Amino acid sequence: DTGVSQDPRHKITKRGQNVTFRCDPISEHNRLYWYRQTLGQGPEFLTYFQNEAQLEKSRLLSDRFSAERPKGSFSTLEIQRTEQGDSAMYLCASSLSGDNGYTFGSGTRLTVV
Amino acid sequence: KQEVTQIPAALSVPEGENLVLNCSFTDSAIYNLQWFRQDPGKGLTSLLLIQSSQREQTSGRLNASLDKSSGRSTLYIAASQPGDSATYLCAVEGGANNLFFGTGTRLTVIP
Repeated sequence: DTGVSQDPRHKITKRGQNVTFRCDPISEHNRLYWYRQTLGQGPEFLTYFQNEAQLEKSRLLSDRFSAERPKGSFSTLEIQRTEQGDSAMYLCASSLSGDNGYTFGSGTRLTVV
Repeated sequence: KQEVTQIPAALSVPEGENLVLNCSFTDSAIYNLQWFRQDPGKGLTSLLLIQSSQREQTSGRLNASLDKSSGRSTLYIAASQPGDSATYLCAVEGGANNLFFGTGTRLTVIP
């Protein structure tokens, strides 16, 4: 297992377009998280899955954002009608229940022009 | 809401120095605290995880301590090297199944 994988690494899109990111967690990890990080800030929580169930969503996750984790494996994060304020690094993390810490992926950097 | 503060925001030291990074948090009811390293434009690399029942963890030249009652953690880096240059992030996990991060300390080690 090579850790948490995210695809793509970089995405440039025009304002108003839809984008989708993918995260493949560590295979035995049942928890998956999405975070967003803007320049000079720490990551901020967006949403959390336990297996296939989305258990928590931050207020940062507006109606334009949707996340799925079908079959409790990989996850996708879709942003509809992108805005310039959506430009950020989107980080995925996974963990195994039981306080073993989080493993983060390399992130997807989104630039909305 | 949990607030995490990291001091200093930036630090520049000559190679070989020992240094301490500080992290404080407002709600002491945490499950664990994790220190991460982030290189520019990259994801987060986990350095040390301290469970709430533990006082410290060590890995190589790194040592992290946790004082839950006072809401503080320190990351000690011994004999710093230019390759240690990065942003160091502190994060605490409370009961909300997510991590609260500080804004990080940007470390530069000068050869």
